[in-house]
Amino acid sequence: GAGVSQSPSNKVTEKGKDVELRCDPISGHTALYWYRQRLGQGLEFLIYFQGNSAPDKSGLPSDRFSAERTGESVSTLTIQRTQQEDSAVYLCASSPGQGRNTGELFFGEGSRLTVL
Amino acid sequence: GQNIDQPTEMTATEGAIVQINCTYQTSGFNGLFWYQQHAGEAPTFLSYNVLDGLEEKGRFSSFLSRSKGYSYLLLKELQMKDSASYLCAVRGRAGKSTFGDGTTLTVKP
Repeated sequence: GAGVSQSPSNKVTEKGKDVELRCDPISGHTALYWYRQRLGQGLEFLIYFQGNSAPDKSGLPSDRFSAERTGESVSTLTIQRTQQEDSAVYLCASSPGQGRNTGELFFGEGSRLTVL
Repeated sequence: GQNIDQPTEMTATEGAIVQINCTYQTSGFNGLFWYQQHAGEAPTFLSYNVLDGLEEKGRFSSFLSRSKGYSYLLLKELQMKDSASYLCAVRGRAGKSTFGDGTTLTVKP
């Protein structure tokens, strides 16, 4: 597609349930990021995929969070046993990577997660 | 790791000039970005600096001093639509971009 696509746009779940959030990056972008943004706050880094390199998982807040990426395509962020503190907007971004490009990030519209 | 600081809030008048500062500490540096984020929307790219100096793009300019770990975003001829959050982000050598908490700018008539 023309831009980064995320689904679902909104998700309301009960505490303790698992959720999966999906991100379709811009075709050809080798880098993919997940960030979390709580209401009125900045972007909190979660995980970064770059090509075939091992992902940088240093931002995942607990072992309840995991993410996968299929090649240089779709990524899924999974949150197990959700807690109320997980309520936030989860933003996905992709980038052409480095080299000739500036490496700016192109963001999706986000998935708003509400844990009741 | 990276530590990025920027003011939480700023207010300015329509037609004026405003400067939003960003200071950072990083173990590796490979570029500094500014993004704009309107309420309820995704961030969008504004500017990129990797070398010292000023980059100008229309009403927006961004400055970088790598030795001081300092950048600013300058907005001229402010318009009401410029009311938004402005996010400073630093990219490390491995390509990962880390964001500051953002500066909420309110433009008043």
